[in-house]
Amino acid sequence: QKEVEQDPGPLSVPEGAIVSLNCTYSNSAFQYFMWYRQYSRKGPELLMYTYSSGNKEDGRFTAQVDKSSKYISLFIRDSQPSDSATYLCAMRVQGGSEKLVFGKGTKLTVNP
Amino acid sequence: DSGVTQTPKHLITATGQRVTLRCSPRSGDLSVYWYQQSLDQGLQFLIQYYNGEERAKGNILERFSAQQFPDLHSELNLSSLELGDSALYFCASSPGDVNNEQFFGPGTRLTVL
Repeated sequence: QKEVEQDPGPLSVPEGAIVSLNCTYSNSAFQYFMWYRQYSRKGPELLMYTYSSGNKEDGRFTAQVDKSSKYISLFIRDSQPSDSATYLCAMRVQGGSEKLVFGKGTKLTVNP
Repeated sequence: DSGVTQTPKHLITATGQRVTLRCSPRSGDLSVYWYQQSLDQGLQFLIQYYNGEERAKGNILERFSAQQFPDLHSELNLSSLELGDSALYFCASSPGDVNNEQFFGPGTRLTVL
């Protein structure tokens, strides 16, 4: 079993839809959870990060962490064509090395 | 633009060869990270340097090595290249040695023929 599992999609939605992206993980020591967005032919950029469990909201984006289920989600409200990208979840343990473990990414297309 | 630069953008070489990828971190960032991204494996952490010293090691092959120089730029050396080494190689940087936000460069696309 891989440490982090993420459905690669592709996911195609109409403009304005609510998008739900998810990752599951197996390492209960993970404490920091991140979502990166990667546009085609670009490097990933950090969208949001959360520590431990709970929700975090930033504009149209909401990140949720459920440590009991080892499940994290990213919700995008009122999705826009500019949201079309690959979304990567990433996580790491607290302390120690800086090693981030990434999911393989979900490719999202928002159609106008 | 993240402020991280990588050269070259593209590299095409043959099996058995050696190449060097170069990364300049954002101004002021002391940590540099190297990642390999392929379709089947996703984004894999290779190695981290902090202020010139190796800080963490991931799934880096023995044929690969890296270093960070006094001016904080970093180089990733890949030798005895195999077809399976074809991938995107990203460099990222962050201010300290433990940061959740890593700023990624545009990547170097390596093709081994």
